[in-house]
Amino acid sequence: DAGVTQSPTHLIKTRGQQVTLRCSPISGHKSVSWYQQVLGQGPQFIFQYYEKEERGRGNFPDRFSARQFPNYSSELNVNALLLGDSALYLCASSQTGTGVSGNTIYFGEGSWLTVV
Amino acid sequence: AQSVSQHNHHVILSEAASLELGCNYSYGGTVNLFWYVQYPGQHLQLLLKYFSGDPLVKGIKGFEAEFIKSKFSFNLRKPSVQWSDTAEYFCAALALDSNYQLIWGAGTKLIIKP
Repeated sequence: DAGVTQSPTHLIKTRGQQVTLRCSPISGHKSVSWYQQVLGQGPQFIFQYYEKEERGRGNFPDRFSARQFPNYSSELNVNALLLGDSALYLCASSQTGTGVSGNTIYFGEGSWLTVV
Repeated sequence: AQSVSQHNHHVILSEAASLELGCNYSYGGTVNLFWYVQYPGQHLQLLLKYFSGDPLVKGIKGFEAEFIKSKFSFNLRKPSVQWSDTAEYFCAALALDSNYQLIWGAGTKLIIKP
C-alpha cells in the first residue's frame, strides 16, 4: 500500500505569492493533519481535518487555509507568502481523528517550500 | 499550555554505547506518546508509541521507551547503538481532550561515531 503522498516535493516561491500543497492519505484513512517544520525545530501543528471538516487549528495566521476533499485528500494553501514561511510542510494521516486513543499517525515525506 | 521537552539537542556516541534520550511532557490528563525518527533526507517515521497498558513499550530497530506517569516522562532507550542510528529523534504527545494536535519536542540530533 502507498504511504502518505505529498506534492510537490520542492518548490520556490517569491514573497507575496500564493502556494498550494497537496496530500493524499493512506488508503482507508479519513483524517489528515498538516504540520510546519522549520529547520532545527520540531513540527508545529497547523490544521487537522476529519471527514472533510476542520477539527483543529494551530496558532497560524489566516493566510493559512486548508480543505479536505470527498476522497479524503487535502490541500494546504498559504497566501501572501513571507520569507518566514520557508519550511518543510508535513502531511499526516490517520484512520480517525487524532483525539481517539490508539490512533497511529503516519507522515508523508513533506513539501519543502522556499520563499525568496 | 501543553508542551514537550527533550533534554538534549545534540548527542554524540560511539557504536555499541547505550542510549537514553529524555522526554518530558506537561499535561495532567490522558496522553498518547510517540517517538519518531527522521533519518537524513527522509521523512518522519514512527519508532514506537504508548497508548495504555504496559508502560514499557518496544519499537522497531531495538528501541524501547518507558512511560513513567509520576515523572511525566517517556524516555527512549537502546542498549547498543549502531552507526545507522544517526538521525534526529522527536518525542510527541497527544492530549486526548486537545484540539487534535500532536505537541512536539524540539528534537535530539544523534550522531553515532563508527
